[in-house]
Amino acid sequence: EVQLVESGGDLVQPGGSLRLSCAAYDFTFSNSAMNWVRQAPGKGLEWVSSISITGSTKDYADSVKGRFTISRDNSKNTVYLQMNTLRGDDTAIYYCAKSRRAPDAFDVWGRGTMVTVSS
Amino acid sequence: SYELTQPPSVSVSPGQTATISCSGNKLGDKYVSWYQQRPGQSPVLVIFQDIKRPAGISERFSGSSSGNTATLTITETQALDEADYYCQAWDTSPNWVFGGGTTLTVL
Repeated sequence: EVQLVESGGDLVQPGGSLRLSCAAYDFTFSNSAMNWVRQAPGKGLEWVSSISITGSTKDYADSVKGRFTISRDNSKNTVYLQMNTLRGDDTAIYYCAKSRRAPDAFDVWGRGTMVTVSS
Repeated sequence: SYELTQPPSVSVSPGQTATISCSGNKLGDKYVSWYQQRPGQSPVLVIFQDIKRPAGISERFSGSSSGNTATLTITETQALDEADYYCQAWDTSPNWVFGGGTTLTVL
């Protein structure tokens, strides 16, 4: 079954760091651009970051630029999100999502992992 | 930066047709996707490239786009269609944009 499984979410203090992981199963990971999308409690979806197939192109939302770093390991079928200098408004469920081949949409989503930033 | 605007809520009676709009500057020039998110669940892609349905998505879901507005239409609406719906498009900044979401209530 095609699926994405996120892990690494936790309670962290403001200013702290966290690394999220997203493991991919049953599709050709190395042929897929990957993304992170977050959803604050009771709020809508917010795109966070994307990484190209080879990892050579990385894009970030302005809200996380300079603090978050996306990376991937195609040998492990895993994409990562390193989050530094965390703030309260980073509190959210973080979803990993696979891009369609085009890439014009996100066709597979994980269940998400919760990140809470609080003292 | 680019923005997509959706109505916060839409209500529909069972069996009737629901329409959810998404507006943005020259949105008709971009590909629009739609996602369904039921309470407590992850988003699911229901429409891509304005009008196409992924495998396994009911034919009751359809999309259209022209000018500054894209529309998601759900015919013969059922209780299981109650969910939040988000439109999405790609722009140069930020790369991916989501609308604020529309809560569909079937009553």
